[in-house]
Amino acid sequence: GQNIDQPTEMTATEGAIVQINCTYQTSGFNGLFWYQQHAGEAPTFLSYNVLDGLEEKGRFSSFLSRSKGYSYLLLKELQMKDSASYLCAVSLSGYALNFGKGTSLLVTP
Amino acid sequence: KAGVTQTPRYLIKTRGQQVTLSCSPISGHRSVSWYQQTPGQGLQFLFEYFSETQRNKGNFPGRFSGRQFSNSRSEMNVSTLELGDSALYLCASSSTGQGTTEAFFGQGTRLTVV
Repeated sequence: GQNIDQPTEMTATEGAIVQINCTYQTSGFNGLFWYQQHAGEAPTFLSYNVLDGLEEKGRFSSFLSRSKGYSYLLLKELQMKDSASYLCAVSLSGYALNFGKGTSLLVTP
Repeated sequence: KAGVTQTPRYLIKTRGQQVTLSCSPISGHRSVSWYQQTPGQGLQFLFEYFSETQRNKGNFPGRFSGRQFSNSRSEMNVSTLELGDSALYLCASSSTGQGTTEAFFGQGTRLTVV
């Protein structure tokens, strides 16, 4: 089976940096996605990694190590609007995304 | 450019009934995927269609089925509804369907089975 793990909840302070980890054990690998989902809204794309290393996009960065089955999403200069659920998903084949259960991030003043 | 549109947004059905949900992808996108989202299980893959062909299927019973039309619009059907089918059903469209480009999600259909 496919196994994708991420912490259930995290809390961080406005202006700080937070790292959300994701580990995976899957039968295939076509890339790893991070999505953000605010309560009651659709998930929105944040990043995609297929090669090892760090991808930076403004305040958000994502890292991948394929040999370790590990990724993280780094959020800098946290803002209140970053309070949301962060979903790690592995692409297997075609367009089938296997999602972790998501990490609920609460940003406090 | 219009986003992914799902209808209806909310639905209440009785156990044993069947339901059909609709998804209109972004214009030009040929891949449509369906997901079930519940608090306990998170987002789970149901199936994916590309150019009217089902290419991938998740681990759901045969009561869950879908199809895609020539204009890329997709429908999913759930027959003999059970209480456990209560969930948010999300569809996502992608331009390439190769799993290497981002998927754009619709707002979802909230299904409640009573």
